Amino acid sequence: GAVVSQHPSRVICKSGTSVKIECRSLDFQATTMFWYRQFPKKSLMLMATSNEGSKATYEQGVEKDKFLINHASLTLSTLTVTSAHPEDSSFYICSAKDMGRPVGEQYFGPGTRLTVT
Amino acid sequence: AQSVTQPDIHITVSEGASLELRCNYSYGATPYLFWYVQSPGQGLQLLLKYFSGDTLVQGIKGFEAEFKRSQSSFNLRKPSVHWSDAAEYFCALYSGGGADGLTFGKGTHLIIQP
Repeated sequence: GAVVSQHPSRVICKSGTSVKIECRSLDFQATTMFWYRQFPKKSLMLMATSNEGSKATYEQGVEKDKFLINHASLTLSTLTVTSAHPEDSSFYICSAKDMGRPVGEQYFGPGTRLTVT
Repeated sequence: AQSVTQPDIHITVSEGASLELRCNYSYGATPYLFWYVQSPGQGLQLLLKYFSGDTLVQGIKGFEAEFKRSQSSFNLRKPSVHWSDAAEYFCALYSGGGADGLTFGKGTHLIIQP
């Protein structure tokens, strides 16, 4: 089956620094990738939609200057949390849409636990 | 705007007993509906999906779900749960159109009693 990886799985950073999270589709091409944020005991909230070769589309309330998304190739999207603060601590999950699969189907990565101290 | 409601935050079931997890949605047309399972610290795994056609869909791990348009529901069922089914379960909706992101319910935490 389709595999999506995320790196790193866990990261701890100091307040004010930036952190980059990678999302890769390992065995398929993904023109579209998605970034979700999951708070403890909460649902996944879509942050942004990342399209290869174009600017990401951010959901209402998500600061695009704080959460920089780059989708430079058909298998890689990155999320950079800039000037991180403790309130940015969360579980970030990416997903990728396989071009050959029905609309709506997404494959999810294992997530990245970000802790900002 | 669309929404997904999972009324039960926690459900406890004895091993071997049957299971039903509730999911209600709000959307103006027929949505695409999904059930995902998330084990601790893991990503989401697709259990099953409904796009159209037969309203009773079969998934992996012995799960099934029934789409009921009249009740705006898509409940997940399993006739006999195993201890390994303990996890977080999410119902999700895809509305199509310009945005391909999924709208998730808040999840139901399933606890299996021995």
